[in-house]
Amino acid sequence: EPEVTQTPSHQVTQMGQEVILRCVPISNHLYFYWYRQILGQKVEFLVSFYNNEISEKSEIFDDQFSVERPDGSNFTLKIRSTKLEDSAMYFCASRAVNTEAFFGQGTRLTVV
Amino acid sequence: KNQVEQSPQSLIILEGKNCTLQCNYTVSPFSNLRWYKQDTGRGPVSLTIMTFSENTKSNGRYTATLDADTKQSSLHITASQLSDSASYICVVSAGYGGSQGNLIFGKGTKLSVKP
Repeated sequence: EPEVTQTPSHQVTQMGQEVILRCVPISNHLYFYWYRQILGQKVEFLVSFYNNEISEKSEIFDDQFSVERPDGSNFTLKIRSTKLEDSAMYFCASRAVNTEAFFGQGTRLTVV
Repeated sequence: KNQVEQSPQSLIILEGKNCTLQCNYTVSPFSNLRWYKQDTGRGPVSLTIMTFSENTKSNGRYTATLDADTKQSSLHITASQLSDSASYICVVSAGYGGSQGNLIFGKGTKLSVKP
């Protein structure tokens, strides 16, 4: 069964460093998303991406965040200068036109 | 403000027993409501999705109901198994069309099934 895959599963980084979280969406999907979940809290929307551009973003998704689909298969989330409060699980999701979203297993980001 | 509230926050039941989880929402315009199961440290996995016109939907031992008038939904789990231990998240989609960015997540109910 096709699935959304995310790498790495766990990333530890020092405060101020840049991180790139990677996602491979399901191959025929057109809409891509990033969500985050701070430990013990609910899942929060970050950004949606369609047709090679951001279609919607939340107030969490500030100038420190960016997304890219560099090669038609990967979908990346970059955090330029990580802060302690960026520590969370980051989930990628994708969907086709008439399907619901399928979530990846997540990347646990720990900023120290 | 769009909100999704779930109760209880946590629940412990014995294996084989049934349970019902509740979800109340204030989301406008309403598009659909989904229940997800999230194992610890994993991504959410969809259980059911219901639109405005659907009152009930089943997926194996999971049965979701939706009352669009009172803006309430429930997830009933029958004959619970140890593997049902997880967080169950109610998610309401706001807006028209497929804007996934308008998914409003509840905080989830943490279910523990004990032998």
